[in-house]
Amino acid sequence: DQQVKQNSPSLSVQEGRISILNCDYTNSMFDYFLWYKKYPAEGPTFLISISSIKDKNEDGRFTVFLNKSAKHLSLHIVPSQPGDSAVYFCAASASSGGSNYKLTFGKGTLLTVNP
Amino acid sequence: ETGVTQSPTHLIKTRGQQVTLRCSSQSGHNTVSWYQQALGQGPQFIFQYYREEENGRGNFPPRFSGLQFPNYSSELNVNALELDDSALYLCASSPGPRAVDTQYFGPGTRLTVL
Repeated sequence: DQQVKQNSPSLSVQEGRISILNCDYTNSMFDYFLWYKKYPAEGPTFLISISSIKDKNEDGRFTVFLNKSAKHLSLHIVPSQPGDSAVYFCAASASSGGSNYKLTFGKGTLLTVNP
Repeated sequence: ETGVTQSPTHLIKTRGQQVTLRCSSQSGHNTVSWYQQALGQGPQFIFQYYREEENGRGNFPPRFSGLQFPNYSSELNVNALELDDSALYLCASSPGPRAVDTQYFGPGTRLTVL
């Protein structure tokens, strides 16, 4: 039972354009969401997070949008750079529940930014 | 400040054997979480240790066990290895046990079970 779904295994964009990575979740207890980036042979690196009390969080070129009614979040990267090419994982947690220690990850989306 | 390190980098074992994977947490962090990442999948939570005690566990059988030491480094032990245990094992350290305490991942240990 995939509680966090990233339905696009891959995405290819041109340098300078916007990259939009999508994530859906099914567990209504999830109230804290994160995006991680992973390069080959390295561990995932934290990018940005958002709490369910917000619908948008921005950090430089990275913005995460949360639509609670649709149980959907997206990561926007503007402008995209070749160094952004990596696998992006969406993760979620029920931060106020008994499992507030646990992150549930999606399968990831491979982003390729072409020069 | 040193980051999260894991050893060994790669490991090959046969079915039925036992394996121990190691993780050194980042300075100032008291929590280590372990994840299994199978090919083509996202990391799946195994368990978390906070101040030397198991703080939570995912859907993994008891043959997956762990330890955390007074310096907050950690071990993952897997007994009676099965072919499906072949995966990348990631550890992450954090300054606290909650999901809002950002987890910093090591590079992982690639385990192959033949």
